Amino acid sequence: DAKTTQPPSMDCAEGRAANLPCNHSTISGNEYVYWYRQIHSQGPQYIIHGLKNNETNEMASLIITEDRKSSTLILPHATLRDTAVYYCIVSVIGRSGGSGTSYDKVIFGPGTSLSVIP
Amino acid sequence: NAGVTQTPKFRILKIGQSMTLQCTQDMNHNYMYWYRQDPGMGLKLIYYSVGAGITDKGEVPNGYNVSRSTTEDFPLRLELAAPSQTSVYFCASSQQDLGYTFGSGTRLTVV
Repeated sequence: DAKTTQPPSMDCAEGRAANLPCNHSTISGNEYVYWYRQIHSQGPQYIIHGLKNNETNEMASLIITEDRKSSTLILPHATLRDTAVYYCIVSVIGRSGGSGTSYDKVIFGPGTSLSVIP
Repeated sequence: NAGVTQTPKFRILKIGQSMTLQCTQDMNHNYMYWYRQDPGMGLKLIYYSVGAGITDKGEVPNGYNVSRSTTEDFPLRLELAAPSQTSVYFCASSQQDLGYTFGSGTRLTVV
């Protein structure tokens, strides 16, 4: 099962900020929070990730609460092209240890379907 | 860079036929993955690989096989196609803590 909980759908007015919440109350200390989006049957697209500090890139901002049990993805000025399903994922990815390589299976939940409305 | 390239983009198979879905990446990523996505559903991990010669099962491996003889290529084999394997298949790659790069998908219909 996915380790995150997201609302199934949200609406946002074009030009306004879209704030997408994600709960991950069982997150471990070494797990990152990742966000992806999938625009209508295309391959998912990586947006942003973080461990415990807030992060910003050219696409979005990621706000992680101090206890790391929840986070919010912020699209500062939503456009119609931001209409998509947004996935929040927590995972330890690609950690190498000693003679072996550990890997945490990344599980995609159902995500949040964001509709940007003109 | 082309990123992750999947072929074919579309395919119709008859029940019992076999096929290989091709996936190649030119980013020198160690990690590669195969997901399937049924209509209106999320992605399910089929198999993954942490490097050449190393593969492991994901959530839904039954009916599929993979190999990883090179860093670049990670083909997915369907031996006896069944209608339940009708889906969109996505290949992805990543490098340690960085995000995944996905291909554009292969839409498979088994009739």
